[in-house]
Amino acid sequence: RKEVEQDPGPFNVPEGATVAFNCTYSNSASQSFFWYRQDCRKEPKLLMSVYSSGNEDGRFTAQLNRASQYISLLIRDSKLSDSATYLCVVRGSNYQLIWGAGTKLIIKP
Amino acid sequence: DTGVSQDPRHKITKRGQNVTFRCDPISEHNRLYWYRQTLGQGPEFLTYFQNEAQLEKSRLLSDRFSAERPKGSFSTLEIQRTEQGDSAMYLCASSPGGADNTQYFGPGTRLTVL
Repeated sequence: RKEVEQDPGPFNVPEGATVAFNCTYSNSASQSFFWYRQDCRKEPKLLMSVYSSGNEDGRFTAQLNRASQYISLLIRDSKLSDSATYLCVVRGSNYQLIWGAGTKLIIKP
Repeated sequence: DTGVSQDPRHKITKRGQNVTFRCDPISEHNRLYWYRQTLGQGPEFLTYFQNEAQLEKSRLLSDRFSAERPKGSFSTLEIQRTEQGDSAMYLCASSPGGADNTQYFGPGTRLTVL
């Protein structure tokens, strides 16, 4: 079993729709959680950190369920520019980041 | 641009050759990380420096791989006797240290081994 698992997609959704990504992690000692965005052939860029109480940044909402070891990302009113791969990332007790394989999102006009 | 920079951006080499990549972190970031990413996968951790000290190495980092950060600033990653399986994007990231562990990535070096 992979340490961080995501649905690989691709998710094909129409512009304006709401899309949700899910992620599970295996190490209960994991301490920090993030969503990164990666455009094709580019480096990953931090989208948002994920806090226990849940957090929102504009159209993006991230939630963490430590009991279920589950992280989610919700994108509302999706834009064409949201098309990218979304990577779920977990940091353990050291500074190493453990990455999911990413979920590809394609927003269609 | 004061972000993380990597050089070269692309490298094509023949099997068996040695290659060296350079990473310049964000100024004053004392943590530096190397990752490898293949198509359709997330990045995989290779190694991590705190200043000039290499504190952790992944099992992925075989004896053919070596990384240095001699003065605690830029870092180099060398691959000796390259194999086709080494073809990947090699990503470098840096973070400030202390309580802020946010990692900022460079554009990567794409290695193709023929």
